[in-house]
Amino acid sequence: GAVVSQHPSWVICKSGTSVKIECRSLDFQATTMFWYRQFPKQSLMLMATSNEGSKATYEQGVEKDKFLINHASLTLSTLTVTSAHPEDSSFYICSALHLAGASYNEQFFGPGTRLTVL
Amino acid sequence: GQNIDQPTEMTATEGAIVQINCTYQTSGFNGLFWYQQHAGEAPTFLSYNVLDGLEEKGRFSSFLSRSKGYSYLLLKELQMKDSASYLCAVLDSNYQLIWGAGTKLIIKP
Repeated sequence: GAVVSQHPSWVICKSGTSVKIECRSLDFQATTMFWYRQFPKQSLMLMATSNEGSKATYEQGVEKDKFLINHASLTLSTLTVTSAHPEDSSFYICSALHLAGASYNEQFFGPGTRLTVL
Repeated sequence: GQNIDQPTEMTATEGAIVQINCTYQTSGFNGLFWYQQHAGEAPTFLSYNVLDGLEEKGRFSSFLSRSKGYSYLLLKELQMKDSASYLCAVLDSNYQLIWGAGTKLIIKP
């Protein structure tokens, strides 16, 4: 099946610094990618939908100036957590939409990035 | 390598019971998640198992056997709204989520 990678797998940073997380679709082009956040034992929470070449659409309650999303190519989307604070510590997961046909699509998930802010 | 296997598609009848199996081979184990995802929506959390045994939550139950690398999700009293994809995911020793491809469940009246 299609593969989505994330980099880094885990990151520890100091409060106030910015962290960039990359999401890549390795063997297909993804015009749409999604960014999720997951706190322990809770559901994936959709943060934003990223469309290649246009501005991301953020879910209610997600600060767009704090979580910067760039989807500059059909295989890469980045999430930058700016001025990170300990409450931003979480598991960030991306997924990419694979349009396999006119009426069929699949969503492939990345392995996640564990962010710890000290 | 790491691998999660679950059936691609299953069909069941409204009111019946269905069991969706998931087998895994991962480098380490820190828990197994089941998610439900309706088309076009974000996945929603159903269960988390880290110890062997059965966890019951309403109409849904999840079972885990770590020695067998096996889990199942049991859905009882099926309703039409249960038609969705069910994703199995394992947290490995590096706390990376390894995702199954999902099982599309079709409920017929």
